[in-house]
Amino acid sequence: AQKVTQAQTEISVVEKEDVTLDCVYETRDTTYYLFWYKQPPSGELVFLIRRNSFDEQNEISGRYSWNFQKSTSSFNFTITASQVVDSAVYFCALSEYDMRFGAGTRLTVKP
Amino acid sequence: DAGVIQSPRHEVTEMGQEVTLRCKPISGHNSLFWYRQTMMRGLELLIYFNNNVPIDDSGMPEDRFSAKMPNASFSTLKIQPSEPRDSAVYFCASSYTGGGVEAFFGQGTRLTVV
Repeated sequence: AQKVTQAQTEISVVEKEDVTLDCVYETRDTTYYLFWYKQPPSGELVFLIRRNSFDEQNEISGRYSWNFQKSTSSFNFTITASQVVDSAVYFCALSEYDMRFGAGTRLTVKP
Repeated sequence: DAGVIQSPRHEVTEMGQEVTLRCKPISGHNSLFWYRQTMMRGLELLIYFNNNVPIDDSGMPEDRFSAKMPNASFSTLKIQPSEPRDSAVYFCASSYTGGGVEAFFGQGTRLTVV
């Protein structure tokens, strides 16, 4: 069975700090996909990134970067120089044929 | 594209009443998901349709919940009878295929059962 664990329930940082959100997954499949979504206070779920199990290249998009390591079954998300607008709940998700989410990490960035 | 459209956005109902939530997926998407979000349980997958066929309904909490997808452009999630513990935000999402492609979410329906 697939499972996603986000051990950090809440994180609070001060603006401009770097922050890493952890995601650990479990699956028996060799082909799977990992995602990160953002849920701002307004409540919608916004797609951030997708990774397939055969692509372990890290990715950087502006202040966001993702580190995928199959050896540790982790797909961590780093925000560099955090901003108040980054305050949200961030979800990691795993997809084999459907999509299942972790419990989410609430990030608060204080000015 | 209008995105995934859910209605109503908010629903307040009395315990015991029937509640129907509606979802219009993005045109061309052939997979549809219903999720429930609560503080205690997070985002739970209730049911997953592919090409209008229910593939996995193991997340449906009990027989009071039922979901249908009569065609590619419409799905419903029904709760009958509703109970206060059903209060949650219900999200519908759609994607091109079931796995490997990002799902796009609707704005959600906030259900309150009093």
